[in-house]
Amino acid sequence: AQRVTQPEKLLSVFKGAPVELKCNYSYSGSPELFWYVQYSRQRLQLLLRHISRESIKGFTADLNKGETSFHLKKPFAQEEDSAMYYCALRLGSSNTGKLIFGQGTTLQVKP
Amino acid sequence: KAGVTQTPRYLIKTRGQQVTLSCSPISGHRSVSWYQQTPGQGLQFLFEYFSETQRNKGNFPGRFSGRQFSNSRSEMNVSTLELGDSALYLCASQTSGSGNEQFFGPGTRLTVL
Repeated sequence: AQRVTQPEKLLSVFKGAPVELKCNYSYSGSPELFWYVQYSRQRLQLLLRHISRESIKGFTADLNKGETSFHLKKPFAQEEDSAMYYCALRLGSSNTGKLIFGQGTTLQVKP
Repeated sequence: KAGVTQTPRYLIKTRGQQVTLSCSPISGHRSVSWYQQTPGQGLQFLFEYFSETQRNKGNFPGRFSGRQFSNSRSEMNVSTLELGDSALYLCASQTSGSGNEQFFGPGTRLTVL
């Protein structure tokens, strides 16, 4: 069955510390993975996608097919990074709108 | 471009009633997806509409249905409401074509009493 697992409900770090938000997936097809972020009182928005291989707001994520993981990393956390982060897997063809989300991880960056 | 809009933003209903939620996608976006967000289950995919046709469906009972109009606006309907249907309902739109981003609306908060 297709599944996205984010093992940590809450990750609390100090400003300037490295951050790694874990995401593992289960999918028999070719995966297309995303990280979405929801800041307080804002709507869910795309942070980055694996096919772009880009860094957004200092965050990067590498797809590891061998470990079926797509962990989100940032070397130095900022207070404005505090938010809810969701890992998502697109099912089916690459233009479909069907996403499976993990349960989300709340990142709390303390001053 | 205006973002995805959803109406109403808040709704209170009682068990057994039915409800209709509306979503207006970003201009030019032909795909609209609906999700249910609850503290216990997280974000769960309900269905996706593209060019007025349901293209994908999640694992929800038949009480949950939707449709899409020729202007790409979409509605979802929940009949015979249950307490467990209380949730934030999100819709998202995206352009056609591969690898495209989904843009989410602010959601409709449904409370079933």
